[in-house]
Amino acid sequence: EDKVVQSPLSLVVHEGDTVTLNCSYEVTNFRSLLWYKQEKKAPTFLFMLTSSGIEKKSGRLSSILDKKELSSILNITATQTGDSAIYLCAFNTNAGKSTFGDGTTLTVKP
Amino acid sequence: ETGVTQSPTHLIKTRGQQVTLRCSSQSGHNTVSWYQQALGQGPQFIFQYYREEENGRGNFPPRFSGLQFPNYSSELNVNALELDDSALYLCAFRTGGTDTQYFGPGTRLTVL
Repeated sequence: EDKVVQSPLSLVVHEGDTVTLNCSYEVTNFRSLLWYKQEKKAPTFLFMLTSSGIEKKSGRLSSILDKKELSSILNITATQTGDSAIYLCAFNTNAGKSTFGDGTTLTVKP
Repeated sequence: ETGVTQSPTHLIKTRGQQVTLRCSSQSGHNTVSWYQQALGQGPQFIFQYYREEENGRGNFPPRFSGLQFPNYSSELNVNALELDDSALYLCAFRTGGTDTQYFGPGTRLTVL
């Protein structure tokens, strides 16, 4: 069965810290891995990764995929209180099905 | 803003009842998926519709059913509600062949 495991489950840091969130997966017919941020209800799209070793970057956030290790990381530098959210990782199969992990809850304290 | 709307925002039902949740998009994306998100968990895939037909389903019983309309909007129907159906129900649109999904704000269903 397809599976996604995220770690840590939760994380508390102070503003200015750098965090690394992990996502590992077991899947047949992998097509892409996506990261989402969920603050209150609707997850919002952050990154989509399809190729190993190519870093995607958006401001203070960056992410990279390692297909050999079946994993991905999401880095956030110089964290701000507005980064507090649940970060979800999901992969898509060639059949178009999405499987999500249970997320990492990030709390950034002032 | 993703341009995806869901209704209602909250709903309280009792065991055994039936519920219909609705979802629409302003963007014209033609593929819609529904997810169930229990507290403390990630979204669980229920099913996906493309061109008004179901073309993918997760591990949910047949009492979870859906529809997609010609304007791509969608409904999720749940019959014979159980307490464990209490969750946030999310819909997400994308264009067929792409992977980026645009989520609605969800419907919070409570079953008493």
